[in-house]
Amino acid sequence: AQTVTQSQPEMSVQEAETVTLSCTYDTSENNYYLFWYKQPPSRQMILVIRQEAYKQQNATENRFSVNFQKAAKSFSLKISDSQLGDTAMYFCAFSTGANNLFFGTGTRLTVIP
Amino acid sequence: EAGVTQFPSHSVIEKGQTVTLRCDPISGHDNLYWYRRVMGKEIKFLLHFVKESKQDESGMPNNRFLAERTGGTYSTLKVQPAELEDSGVYFCASSQDVGFGYEQYFGPGTRLTVT
Repeated sequence: AQTVTQSQPEMSVQEAETVTLSCTYDTSENNYYLFWYKQPPSRQMILVIRQEAYKQQNATENRFSVNFQKAAKSFSLKISDSQLGDTAMYFCAFSTGANNLFFGTGTRLTVIP
Repeated sequence: EAGVTQFPSHSVIEKGQTVTLRCDPISGHDNLYWYRRVMGKEIKFLLHFVKESKQDESGMPNNRFLAERTGGTYSTLKVQPAELEDSGVYFCASSQDVGFGYEQYFGPGTRLTVT
């Protein structure tokens, strides 16, 4: 079964602080991509960061970085120097040989001024 | 460049009625996907078009759902007759290339409420 688990339904962080969102997944595939998508309030979902499972080096995109632990099937997202614009719903997802994405239930992140 | 657009943004219908959702992908994107999120649950894949052909419709819940993509451009998702459990947010996404690493660009979603 292809599943994604996000165990934190809601989180909050003070502006300028660092927060980590957790994600675990399950797949029997050897190669796949992992993604974090962000959906700000009343806006569409956008890609934050992606990681290929064969790459050992963790992906980074400015203030966003991941901690990818393949053996543990864990893919957490770290947001550094949190900004008010980071307030959003964050979805962890992966895709395998098929083209569709498997998503988690999401984590609602609130950045507090 | 215009993003993925969806219409309507919100639809409220009664059980047994018919609703048609529309998605306009990014121009030039051959791949179009439909997903659905039921309240509080994960976003689930429904189907994937490549141009006008259905590449994968394994996620369609039942035969009350009919998706079409006329001429490989916009797509419609019709629910007939609607049931209470069909309520949720329906997302459309498009991508230029096929492959599991490519980014999918999402629309804002259509919130469907069946009463």
